[in-house]
Amino acid sequence: QQQVKQSPQSLIVQKGGISIINCAYENTAFDYFPWYQQFPGKGPALLIAIRPDVSEKKEGRFTISFNKSAKQFSLHIMDSQPGDSATYFCAASRGFGNEKLTFGTGTRLTIIP
Amino acid sequence: EAQVTQNPRYLITVTGKKLTVTCSQNMNHEYMSWYRQDPGLGLRQIYYSMNVEVTDKGDVPEGYKVSRKEKRNFPLILESPSPNQTSLYFCASRGHATDTQYFGPGTRLTVL
Repeated sequence: QQQVKQSPQSLIVQKGGISIINCAYENTAFDYFPWYQQFPGKGPALLIAIRPDVSEKKEGRFTISFNKSAKQFSLHIMDSQPGDSATYFCAASRGFGNEKLTFGTGTRLTIIP
Repeated sequence: EAQVTQNPRYLITVTGKKLTVTCSQNMNHEYMSWYRQDPGLGLRQIYYSMNVEVTDKGDVPEGYKVSRKEKRNFPLILESPSPNQTSLYFCASRGHATDTQYFGPGTRLTVL
């Protein structure tokens, strides 16, 4: 049973465009939603995270939009650059300090010139 | 440099031959986890540890063991590896005051 569904599986965006990756969750007890970025041959690294008390969080070109009623959250990458080409994972967990982190299946993003 | 290290980085073994993948962190983190990454399945948590001598199962613990005898180390043990455990394994750690998990570089395991 997949508790966090991520789409699309792969995404190609032109340089300067907006990349959008979506995730949906089932467990209403989830209250921490991070996004991880993974480059080939490397471990995932935290990119940005949100808690459900806000609907949006922005850090530089990266924005998380969160819709609690729809149980969905998304990552927007503005002005996408070739250096953003990587695999992105959404995740969710329940409660601060809860180590059970459930990941989505990942999105391979390619930014073309 | 603050980091999570894993050894070995690559391992090819045969079915049934016990192996251990080591994980060490130098950030004095309380929390540590093991994940496996498979194409189309993302990362799935195997085991996690809240502190020394405190461990619990993640989503896919079958066929794996862990121990946490020291705060900095969290080895993953496969007592009788099988081909379905061929995967990319990541160790991660987190301090108690932050949500951020720091991942190691990964161990690619092939079980023939």
